[in-house]
Amino acid sequence: DIQMTQSPSTLSASVGDRVTITCRASQSINSWLAWYQQKPGKAPKLLIYDASSLQSGVPSRFSGSGSGTEFTLTISSLQPDDFATYYCQQYNSYSPELTFGGGTKVEIK
Amino acid sequence: EVQLVQSGGGLVQPGGSLRLSCAASGFTFSDHYMDWVRQAPGKGLEWVGRTRNKANSYITRYGASVKGRFTISRDDSNNSLYLQMNGLKIEDTAVYYCGRVQLGSSSDALDIWGQGTMVTVSS
Repeated sequence: DIQMTQSPSTLSASVGDRVTITCRASQSINSWLAWYQQKPGKAPKLLIYDASSLQSGVPSRFSGSGSGTEFTLTISSLQPDDFATYYCQQYNSYSPELTFGGGTKVEIK
Repeated sequence: EVQLVQSGGGLVQPGGSLRLSCAASGFTFSDHYMDWVRQAPGKGLEWVGRTRNKANSYITRYGASVKGRFTISRDDSNNSLYLQMNGLKIEDTAVYYCGRVQLGSSSDALDIWGQGTMVTVSS
């Protein structure tokens, strides 16, 4: 199975900060990676797909990069609505077809 | 409006069964692969399984922790997705989400999610 390791697990930041979250795959997954935002008691929301494509309706302050085994999600200027938990997700044609990272909680500093 | 509305869930004893439903509207349900994802209390997301579409023979795949106990099915005529859970264990306690696999995404991202439904396995 492909393992996905996110870091950090918790991040304290202030409004206006530039925030970067990293996701590493245990083997190459090309660009088959997505990022989600989840708020307490709510379903996850898709932010980025195919490593760097911004989902329709998602603010442009969110961006994704990377390929192979190392990926990043960047929030260029953190807004109050962005305090949440973020997950990466990889796809591969074997089972399990989807694997999620452990999550990164972005907290108010 | 494109949406997934879930029903079912609740409290069940270990070894019991439960069926979750997910009703789709606002899009061509039959075109899409559909997934189930779960989240144990205070934990991260875990992929449960997938049903492909008719063009891909409705192939189903499951995560290791549920394989042989859970069955995913769909009814394209009623725009509905189902998760039949048998042999439930305490560790199956979680919020269960249905999700739509985005068309044209190489990463098979889930672009639409249901609201989630809680399943509690306890004696």
